[in-house]
Amino acid sequence: AQSVTQLGSHVSVSEGALVLLRCNYSSSVPPYLFWYVQYPNQGLQLLLKYTSAATLVKGINGFEAEFKKSETSFHLTKPSAHMSDAAEYFCAVSPSGGGSYIPTFGRGTSLIVHP
Amino acid sequence: DVKVTQSSRYLVKRTGEKVFLECVQDMDHENMFWYRQDPGLGLRLIYFSYDVKMKEKGDIPEGYSVSREKKERFSLILESASTNQTSMYLCASNKGQGLSNEKLFFGSGTQLSVL
Repeated sequence: AQSVTQLGSHVSVSEGALVLLRCNYSSSVPPYLFWYVQYPNQGLQLLLKYTSAATLVKGINGFEAEFKKSETSFHLTKPSAHMSDAAEYFCAVSPSGGGSYIPTFGRGTSLIVHP
Repeated sequence: DVKVTQSSRYLVKRTGEKVFLECVQDMDHENMFWYRQDPGLGLRLIYFSYDVKMKEKGDIPEGYSVSREKKERFSLILESASTNQTSMYLCASNKGQGLSNEKLFFGSGTQLSVL
């Protein structure tokens, strides 16, 4: 069984400030982890994914995430927020090594960026 | 680029109506998925299909059925729409190599209102 918990349904930052969106996972086997972004009136698109090659993963638009096994976390960060980063962000987990290949999504975090 | 197209962006139906939501992908993907997105609940899987005429229930299949007669098309059917099915519906697809590190490609969503 697998699950993800996204802490904070809304995160508010000022333009230029650090963005930190939290994701903790639970998985009985080593996980694959994903961050997706949903801009207003659009579907989800992949930001980045962790597949065990490297613990620090860089994605599109300046985002990155670090896999920390000891903390069962995969938090998403960006050094400097831009107005265009305002969106809904979803963390997702799926098990490695076979079995179900369908990811389980978190409840989402809405990022609000103030000028 | 992969394109997943959902036929309607907005749909308004009456209670008891039979509703069809259509999704088409243009990249010969094996897997197709229907999710429901509600505020605070994230994405919940309704049904998925891993081949033509093959389907599996997701986490919340009650009140829904699906049809996949052709590889590129996956339809979600609400046999008798109810007000609690008012939601955003997202279609997704991926290659279906049986790998859980595959990303999903999403359509833009259909916002269904049942009155």
